[in-house]
Amino acid sequence: EIVLTQSPGTLSLSPGERATLSCRTSQSVNSNHLAWYQQKPGQAPRLVIYGASSGAPGIPDRFSGSGSGTDFTLTISRLEPEDFAVYYCQHYDSSPLFTFGPGTKVHIK
Amino acid sequence: QVQLQESGPGLVKPSGTLSLTCAVSGGSIRRSNWWNWVRQPPGKGLEWIGEMYHSGSTYYNPSLKSRVTISIDKSKNQFSLNLTSVTAADTAVYYCASRDAYNPSFYGLDVWGLGTTVTVSS
Repeated sequence: EIVLTQSPGTLSLSPGERATLSCRTSQSVNSNHLAWYQQKPGQAPRLVIYGASSGAPGIPDRFSGSGSGTDFTLTISRLEPEDFAVYYCQHYDSSPLFTFGPGTKVHIK
Repeated sequence: QVQLQESGPGLVKPSGTLSLTCAVSGGSIRRSNWWNWVRQPPGKGLEWIGEMYHSGSTYYNPSLKSRVTISIDKSKNQFSLNLTSVTAADTAVYYCASRDAYNPSFYGLDVWGLGTTVTVSS
């Protein structure tokens, strides 16, 4: 089973700043199988990025994804108040089908 | 895009069976979607439980496989989760979610229900 590690665990930033979130996989993966989710308190997760770098429908273009192999990054170019949330990376594989990272909490400094 | 809504008991006794239903609206359960269950214990991360296609194909998380059954009721346009022999460790928010075989985002879950909280306690 591929294990996902996210860093940092918590990110303290101010609105307008740039957020850089990391996701590492325990072995090289197909970047088409890497996704990112945003989850706000009391809400369901929301797909933000799929295929490592493609924005999901309705996601603002300040969100971008990059990476390959074992290292992937979610970048929020300029944080808006509504962007403060927990972000999870997720990998799709044969078994289990979906594995999630432990999450990175982006909170207001 | 379909909408999903979970329902079921909020309290289950230890050693009992957790049973939840996810109602699908805005489209047929026979379409090209794969139907999933994901859970989140209080204050913790996300854990994938399993997936089913309307043809009957199912995939389960190996960590839960011995206790999980996902089924589809085509006549009611809904799918269900049964988790047996529950303990306090099964206390979580349970989400139903789906992905569409014809979407470019197929390797992610792009539609989620609001979630339902299930507590295992006597």
